[in-house]
Amino acid sequence: DIQMTQSPSSLSASVGDRVTITCRASQGIGSDLGWFQQKPGKAPKRLIYAASSLQSGVPSRFGGSGSGTEFTLTISSLQPEDFATYFCLQHNTYPSTFGQGTKVEIK
Amino acid sequence: EVQLVESGGGLVQSGGSLRLSCAASGFTFNHYWMYWVRQAPGKGLVWVSGIHDDGRRTNYADSVKGRFTISRDNAKNMVYLQMSSLRAEDTAVYYCARSLGSSSGDEDYWGQGTLVTVSS
Repeated sequence: DIQMTQSPSSLSASVGDRVTITCRASQGIGSDLGWFQQKPGKAPKRLIYAASSLQSGVPSRFGGSGSGTEFTLTISSLQPEDFATYFCLQHNTYPSTFGQGTKVEIK
Repeated sequence: EVQLVESGGGLVQSGGSLRLSCAASGFTFNHYWMYWVRQAPGKGLVWVSGIHDDGRRTNYADSVKGRFTISRDNAKNMVYLQMSSLRAEDTAVYYCARSLGSSSGDEDYWGQGTLVTVSS
C-alpha cells in the first residue's frame, strides 16, 4: 500500500500568515492527490483536486503544488475560518490512503 | 441536491457484526464509485473501502480486508458496509462518500457519519 506522510502534525499560526503543509508519498502517484479540510464535528470537504486544481467555490488563498511523491498545500493568508484540520488523500492506487492530518491552530 | 444519509451504527460487542447503510439521492447513483471512510475519536481519516458504479469491483484497506464487505443496490440507491469480527479498533464514525478521488473536479459529497462503538 502507498503510505502518505504528512507534516507537520500541527502548527500554530496567526491570521494573515502564510501556511505550508506537506505530504510525501511512499511511491510515485503522479498528480492523483487531493487536499481536504475538516472542521470539528463536520465531514471533510475537498479544497484541491489533481494536486494543484482549486475545487469550485474554494477561496483562491488555497493552493496546491507537486507531483510524483511530494505535494504541498499552501494557504497564502490565513483567515479565521481556516483554523481546521487538513488531510491529503492519494487515489492513484487502491487502497486509497490519507495522510495523518495537520491541525492548524490559532497562535 | 445531493444527499448521503448513513444509518446502522451503534454499540456492538467485540467479535460481533453490524451492517451500515447509506441512502443516496440527488444524483445518478449508478454513475459513481462510492466509498466508506472512518474516523476514530480524535484521530485522522482512514479510507476503508470503495465500490465501482456497477458493483463488480471493490477495494478494501488492509485493516478490514476479509472482515468487511461493501455492496450496493443501484435499484434502491443504497450502499452498504457489512462489518464482521469487529474489534475495539474499529470504533469510529463511519462516513459514506462520493467522488473522493477526482481528477476532474467533480465535487465530493459526504454523509453526516454514523458512530460505531465496539466494546471489549
